[in-house]
Amino acid sequence: AQKITQTQPGMFVQEKEAVTLDCTYDTSDPSYGLFWYKQPSSGEMIFLIYQGSYDQQNATEGRYSLNFQKARKSANLVISASQLGDSAMYFCAMRDASGTYKYIFGTGTRLKVLA
Amino acid sequence: DGGITQSPKYLFRKEGQNVTLSCEQNLNHDAMYWYRQDPGQGLRLIYYSQIVNDFQKGDIAEGYSVSREKKESFPLTVTSAQKNPTAFYLCASSTIMSGRRPNTEAFFGQGTRLTVV
Repeated sequence: AQKITQTQPGMFVQEKEAVTLDCTYDTSDPSYGLFWYKQPSSGEMIFLIYQGSYDQQNATEGRYSLNFQKARKSANLVISASQLGDSAMYFCAMRDASGTYKYIFGTGTRLKVLA
Repeated sequence: DGGITQSPKYLFRKEGQNVTLSCEQNLNHDAMYWYRQDPGQGLRLIYYSQIVNDFQKGDIAEGYSVSREKKESFPLTVTSAQKNPTAFYLCASSTIMSGRRPNTEAFFGQGTRLTVV
C-alpha cells in the first residue's frame, strides 16, 4: 500500500540557515512521483518541487532542493537560506503509476523561521 | 486566468443539514479530487474522479457524496450522515499521467472552511 511518513511535527530554523524536512515513502510501483507543497496560514497549497522515481539527479527549484535516496525510500526537502516567509506547513506527497492516479499526503511538518 | 475556484470560502451548517461545496476548474484537467484537512493533520482523500460521470471513493468517503456531470465541475455534498464535518476542505485537479510517468502536480483551490453550528 502507498504511504507517506513525515516524522517531524514541528521544526525551528534560524533565518538565513538551511533546514531539512524529512519524508519517507512506501510503494510497490517502480514508477512514481514525489511532490512537496507549502501551506501558509491562509490555507492555499503551493507546489514547490517534484522528483520522479526514474530521475537520475536530485530536483532543485531555486532555494528548494530534494534529497532523493531511492534505496532508502526517502525524499527530504532542503530549504536553503531560510526566510521569514518560509514559515508554514510543508507536505510531502506521492503519486504512483498503479492506475489509481491519486495523491497520497503525509501529515506535514510545521516550520517556524526565527529572526 | 486558469485555476480552481472553490466556493464558498466559509460555510456554516446546522446539525442534520446537507451542504454542497462547489469546485470549478478551467485548466482542462481530467482528474479532480476532494481532500479533508483537520487541524494539525495531513490531507485525507474523500473522493476522486478521472472522467465525467465516474468517480471513486477515497479513504474517508462515508457521509460524503459527489457528482461529475461536467469536466470542469466536481461538487462535494456533506450529508447529515457525516458525524464530524467541521474541517477545511480542499479541491484539486491534475492531468492524467503521460507515458506512465506520474509527473504532474495537483493544483489546488483556496479551500472551504466548514463549521457545524
